[in-house]
Amino acid sequence: DTEVTQTPKHLVMGMTNKKSLKCEQHMGHRAMYWYKQKAKKPPELMFVYSYEKLSINESVPSRFSPECPNSSLLNLHLHALQPEDSALYLCASSQSYMNTEAFFGQGTRLTVV
Amino acid sequence: AQTVTQSQPEMSVQEAETVTLSCTYDTSESNYYLFWYKQPPSRQMILVIRQEAYKQQNATENRFSVNFQKAAKSFSLKISDSQLGDTAMYFCAFMTPTQGGSEKLVFGKGTKLTVNP
Repeated sequence: DTEVTQTPKHLVMGMTNKKSLKCEQHMGHRAMYWYKQKAKKPPELMFVYSYEKLSINESVPSRFSPECPNSSLLNLHLHALQPEDSALYLCASSQSYMNTEAFFGQGTRLTVV
Repeated sequence: AQTVTQSQPEMSVQEAETVTLSCTYDTSESNYYLFWYKQPPSRQMILVIRQEAYKQQNATENRFSVNFQKAAKSFSLKISDSQLGDTAMYFCAFMTPTQGGSEKLVFGKGTKLTVNP
């Protein structure tokens, strides 16, 4: 199984809503990532978890809250988002320590209205 | 800070022909990996090819090969016998270890490749 599964694939939420994005991998990877990608732009790193601990936070606003309940799951909790937060949110995982490449999920297309 | 530069925002090629996408990077690290990722309209980011910095031999994967020039910090992708399914956005990416045991993957701005029939 070489898949990273993200749910939901599409999400529309209001600025006062609370929602969560989910990411799951069963490759035994120890590093998991959240990226934000705007249209026609490269992915921008948001968070990195290594061995279930947050190791990188790229100065992301607190309205985005990551969570890593176990080594296979990664969540991104969303609250009080702004329309400019509308983007494709990509999850990725890697084996860590530069052993392998990063595998990406298909992303969640988020629209904030 | 590491940076990745892709100087060709868009390229096109005829089916069955060869095309080369360019990428340069800047780093002071000696240990790193380089990647080319493909992102078709389906938006899944798919690894095309990877290169370890310590390896002098250029990586190849079927129709895809790289020209890795470490001293020049250049990492170009050559696609031979282009196929319609190669139409996608191509991102060059650089990975280096960070404190804490994780890696940071930095992307270039991408090159949109169109393969014409």
